[in-house]
Parts: sequence; structure tokens; C-alpha cells
Amino acid sequence: GDSVTQMEGPVTLSEEAFLTINCTYTATGYPSLFWYVQYPGEGLQLLLKATKADDKGSNKGFEATYRKETTSFHLEKGSVQVSDSAVYFCALSANQAGTALIFGKGTTLSVSS
Amino acid sequence: EADIYQTPRYLVIGTGKKITLECSQTMGHDKMYWYQQDPGMELHLIHYSYGVNSTEKGDLSSESTVSRIRTEHFPLTLESARPSHTSQYLCASSRPGDYEQYFGPGTRLTVT
Repeated sequence: GDSVTQMEGPVTLSEEAFLTINCTYTATGYPSLFWYVQYPGEGLQLLLKATKADDKGSNKGFEATYRKETTSFHLEKGSVQVSDSAVYFCALSANQAGTALIFGKGTTLSVSS
Repeated sequence: EADIYQTPRYLVIGTGKKITLECSQTMGHDKMYWYQQDPGMELHLIHYSYGVNSTEKGDLSSESTVSRIRTEHFPLTLESARPSHTSQYLCASSRPGDYEQYFGPGTRLTVT
């Protein structure tokens, strides 16, 4: 079945460091791909998304490119801030709109000043 | 900004009690979901609904039940709470024809 694998955390970085969180997927068809972020004590918020191959999603300095050839959707940010400390989830949706999302296990990011 | 609400935000309750976790959305979304989030942060789908009077079990077996009598309301009930039910419960909804899901803030349940 469909699945998402993302790098295990925690990831610990200093402020202004470069961030990469790897995400690969297995799916039939052409899924949409998402990155969600969860700040402490809150629900999940959509960070960015891509709906077809070679699309680049971007938001708040984060970006990820939908790579069909490597089945990947790695999250990157050039310069992290303390406020970016959170749990990041990679997810995919089957091609039929409205089906449940399939989430990776989450990666905890901790940024220190 | 998504308008999806969950109450209570935090609940501590004794074993054997019946509880209902509330979830409401004001966006008119037809599809709604309940996820259970374990301490390691992994999310598991436990229930979903495609509309009024539609409810389905998710991938993770759960002793909870849900109902969908109104479009905007999707409550989750535990008839007899047990310590193994201690978890974070997240509700979500999505628009017709859209993949993106909007999440509520969650209910953190502790059963003693």
C-alpha cells in the first residue's frame, strides 16, 4: 500500500543553519504531497504542498520539490529560526480527492540560538 | 485560516467514565476525520466521514465511536475510558474535491 518514509529525528540545529528533512514515498498513481507542521500544543497546519511532478511548494522560507523519478519530497530551508522548532510531517493523498492523508512518522526539529 | 474547533482542549478523567470529544467546523466541509496521535507523534486515522449519516473506521482499530448527524459536527465518544485511551486526538476536515485537510487544535486526553 501507499506509504511515506521521513527521516527520523530529532534534528538539532543552530539558528541560521540550513535545514533538510528527507521524505520519500511509495504510491500508485500520482499522489499529491504535503508538508504539515505542528507547533507545541497545537494541531497540524499545512506548510506547503505540490500536486504534480516537478511542482515546487514554498511557504515561510521553506520549500520542497515533487520528484517523481526519485519518489521524494524533501523539505528545505536556507536559514532556520528558533521559531521553526516544531514537528514536521510529510504526507501524501491518493489521487481521489478527499481520501485520508497518509502521514510519515514526523520529524522533530529543535533550533537553538 | 481554518475554522475547526475541538473541545475540550485538555481532559483528565477516571477509568470507566463515558466521554465525548467535540469537533465542529464552520466551513461546510463534507469530509471529516479523527486521528489519534501517539506519544511518538505518529498519526493514526481512527474514523472518517464523507457526509451526514456516513461514518467509517480508519486504519487503526479503536474502541471509540463517532456520529455525523449534522455536516458541521463530528463528535467522538468513548463509552468506558481506559488508561490505554490516553492520547492526543485530532479532528480534521476537507473541502469537496480537495486533498488538503484542515486540522483542529486537538484534545489531549488523560485517563487515570
